[in-house]
Amino acid sequence: DTEVTQTPKHLVMGMTNKKSLKCEQHMGHRAMYWYKQKAKKPPELMFVYSYEKLSINESVPSRFSPECPNSSLLNLHLHALQPEDSALYLCASSPRVAGAGGANVLTFGAGSRLTVL
Amino acid sequence: AQKVTQAQTEISVVEKEDVTLDCVYETRDTTYYLFWYKQPPSGELVFLIRRNSFDEQNEISGRYSWNFQKSTSSFNFTITASQVVDSAVYFCALHNAGNMLTFGGGTRLMVKP
Repeated sequence: DTEVTQTPKHLVMGMTNKKSLKCEQHMGHRAMYWYKQKAKKPPELMFVYSYEKLSINESVPSRFSPECPNSSLLNLHLHALQPEDSALYLCASSPRVAGAGGANVLTFGAGSRLTVL
Repeated sequence: AQKVTQAQTEISVVEKEDVTLDCVYETRDTTYYLFWYKQPPSGELVFLIRRNSFDEQNEISGRYSWNFQKSTSSFNFTITASQVVDSAVYFCALHNAGNMLTFGGGTRLMVKP
């Protein structure tokens, strides 16, 4: 199994809603990532989890709340979002967070396309 | 600071043409890794290649080939005999120790039948 599965594929929410994006992998990877991608732009890193602990938060607003319940699952909880948060949210995983010894290949999911009204 | 530049934002070719996607990077590190990812309309980023800074051998995989030149800080990607299924956005990315991936702006390739 070499997939990263993201649900839902599409999500429309109002600014007062609370919703969650889910990501799952069964490759035994111990690093998981959330990226945000606006139209015609490259992905931007939001969060990195290493061994189920948050290791990087790229100054993301608190209306985005990540959670890693176990080594296979990664959630992104959404609350009080703004229309400018509309984007493709990509989850990725890698065997571990890269260190000085090398760079791991990230395996990406197909993304959740979020529209905030 | 590290930076990746993909000067071509969009390229359009006719099927069976060869096409080269340019990638120029900046880093002060001597050890780093370069990547190419493909993003088809379905959304996921598909890994194509990883190359470390000490390996300047060019690589060929089927219709794909990569030319890594440290002297010009470039890591270009050539598709030979392009096909409609090659239509996608292609990202070049750089990773060095202690940092995450830095993506270039991407090149949208359109292959017309």
